Amino acid sequence: SQTIHQWPATLVQPVGSPLSLECTVEGTSNPNLYWYRQAAGRGLQLLFYSVGIGQISSEVPQNLSASRPQDRQFILSSKKLLLSDSGFYLCAWSIRLAGDNEQFFGPGTRLTVL
Amino acid sequence: SQQGEEDPQALSIQEGENATMNCSYKTSINNLQWYRQNSGRGLVHLILIRSNEREKHSGRLRVTLDTSKKSSSLLITASRAADTASYFCATGSGNTPLVFGKGTRLSVIA
Repeated sequence: SQTIHQWPATLVQPVGSPLSLECTVEGTSNPNLYWYRQAAGRGLQLLFYSVGIGQISSEVPQNLSASRPQDRQFILSSKKLLLSDSGFYLCAWSIRLAGDNEQFFGPGTRLTVL
Repeated sequence: SQQGEEDPQALSIQEGENATMNCSYKTSINNLQWYRQNSGRGLVHLILIRSNEREKHSGRLRVTLDTSKKSSSLLITASRAADTASYFCATGSGNTPLVFGKGTRLSVIA
């Protein structure tokens, strides 16, 4: 069966510090991978998605970047965090982008930038 | 960008009552999906309805889709306190990622 891991679960970082969040998927090959951010009590904002190794699509201009160094690994990074980067970050995967398939979400990372 | 818009934003009902949430969208779709999110957790897929379907059931869930009105509804029958969560609709169209709405926060009071 497939599983998706995210770490860390919670993170408190000072403004200006770097960030690295990692997501890995097990039990499937060549998944589509996604990073979302969710502000408190709000909906999901798609940040990045990837259809293959080294292929990253950015949805919104921002202070963050994403990389996919391996088939089942997706990393969200920042060189210098801003206060506005605080939020709940969710990684997800799917077999196809928007076909008749569901997305599977990880447990999320709660990031607080102080 | 967000295409799906859920209505209401928040809903509070008594245990045993039915809960109805609505979702409207703007462009043509291949499918519409509903997800549930417990507080502080990831989203969990509930049900998918294709654009050529009008109604679908799964346990206590009933989803309808009206493509002429670009709207969908999620009905949870005989609600339980454990149904307390946020519910999101998401639309799929073409070879692009799903687009999620802002969600409905459902509170079921025991």
